[in-house]
Amino acid sequence: EAGVAQSPRYKIIEKRQSVAFWCNPISGHATLYWYQQILGQGPKLLIQFQNNGVVDDSQLPKDRFSAERLKGVDSTLKIQPAKLEDSAVYLCASSLGSGPDTQYFGPGTRLTVL
Amino acid sequence: GEDVEQSLFLSVREGDSSVINCTYTDSSSTYLYWYKQEPGAGLQLLTYIFSNMDMKQDQRLTVLLNKKDKHLSLRIADTQTGDSAIYFCAEMEDQAGTALIFGKGTTLSVSS
Repeated sequence: EAGVAQSPRYKIIEKRQSVAFWCNPISGHATLYWYQQILGQGPKLLIQFQNNGVVDDSQLPKDRFSAERLKGVDSTLKIQPAKLEDSAVYLCASSLGSGPDTQYFGPGTRLTVL
Repeated sequence: GEDVEQSLFLSVREGDSSVINCTYTDSSSTYLYWYKQEPGAGLQLLTYIFSNMDMKQDQRLTVLLNKKDKHLSLRIADTQTGDSAIYFCAEMEDQAGTALIFGKGTTLSVSS
């Protein structure tokens, strides 16, 4: 079974530029999560989707971050414009249902904002 | 707000047991998890425990839960150099959203 795929693996941009990350969850997984992991900290939820609907985006900085999961499968996370403090690893995870199912994590995208 | 706390660093010798501790604050948490993260890799689920359990054992891993003190521990028996990684404790609350709340992670260093 293929795992959660993410691309790109690494991205370096200058502040005020835009960037987008892509995630392909495990086939059949209804729930998709985006987490932000700043160096030295644990992952923090940005947004959770159930199929193509948003379950929780309370910690998403909506003035600059946006995410979508239009067909209930792949998802993109965008930052526009980026700030220095957005430098982090962005992790995508998926789970089968909406209950306490195991969340499977992708390898992450490491973003450096200069 | 919710907060999960862990000690930041643990160093053990190969063959010894490792015990990684975690405290959480939300008494409504239903599931508690241990994840492992190796350098440059994503998070790998090691084990989880339901909040009405006291202990769970899975091969070399033993999870102990003290719900009264909101204390969770992960014991790794016969620790190997391949166990060197960052270990995250995480809780899931009993709410509509099922996102995990993570601690800052404990770096386990195993010397031979």
